[in-house]
Amino acid sequence: NAGVTQTPKFRVLKTGQSMTLLCAQDMNHEYMYWYRQDPGMGLRLIHYSVGEGTTAKGEVPDGYNVSRLKKQNFLLGLESAAPSQTSVYFCASSWTSGGPSPKTQYFGPGTRLLVL
Amino acid sequence: DAKTTQPTSMDCAEGRAANLPCNHSTISGNEYVYWYRQIHSQGPQYIIHGLKNNETNEMASLIITEDRKSSTLILPHATLRDTAVYYCIVRSASNTGKLIFGQGTTLQVKP
Repeated sequence: NAGVTQTPKFRVLKTGQSMTLLCAQDMNHEYMYWYRQDPGMGLRLIHYSVGEGTTAKGEVPDGYNVSRLKKQNFLLGLESAAPSQTSVYFCASSWTSGGPSPKTQYFGPGTRLLVL
Repeated sequence: DAKTTQPTSMDCAEGRAANLPCNHSTISGNEYVYWYRQIHSQGPQYIIHGLKNNETNEMASLIITEDRKSSTLILPHATLRDTAVYYCIVRSASNTGKLIFGQGTTLQVKP
């Protein structure tokens, strides 16, 4: 199993350009998440999905859109990139939260985005 | 989810046990203590979690105080590859699984 994979690994954008980050998982997980991490800071949740066809906002959703058309894929879109969106983006997935124990999240290797 | 407090940084000699403390004095009865770590530039990695009892796996041990207001992650024989930022996170099963990362503890393992 590949686990959680992210493409691309690195990208440079100009202000105003758009792009889509792809996250894929092969563990049949229901839940998927997008985080961003800025230098010297912890991860912050952008958007998440509790199942195919569903999405919800996290802590810092502004400037991003997401889609979960297939269970194994979670896309993060930037419609008009801004320098403030320069960051490292991590995707994660987990089983549902059903049951007494919260489920472990598994993270991808990250996408480094530079917006000039 | 309850807030956690961790020291900003710690050093540990290679081969020694690394003991990383975490304070979570407002933890509620159905909240678990989770530990993740992030090695430079990589995605966070799950280490261990627990509710009340002490836990051990191949990576580490987790000691939770009886009142559950604090816990300690123990890496029994730290290696240079354990140098990372360690995050203590408290969460419940009902929060849709969102992880709230704080600043974490930067552990530097020295030769």
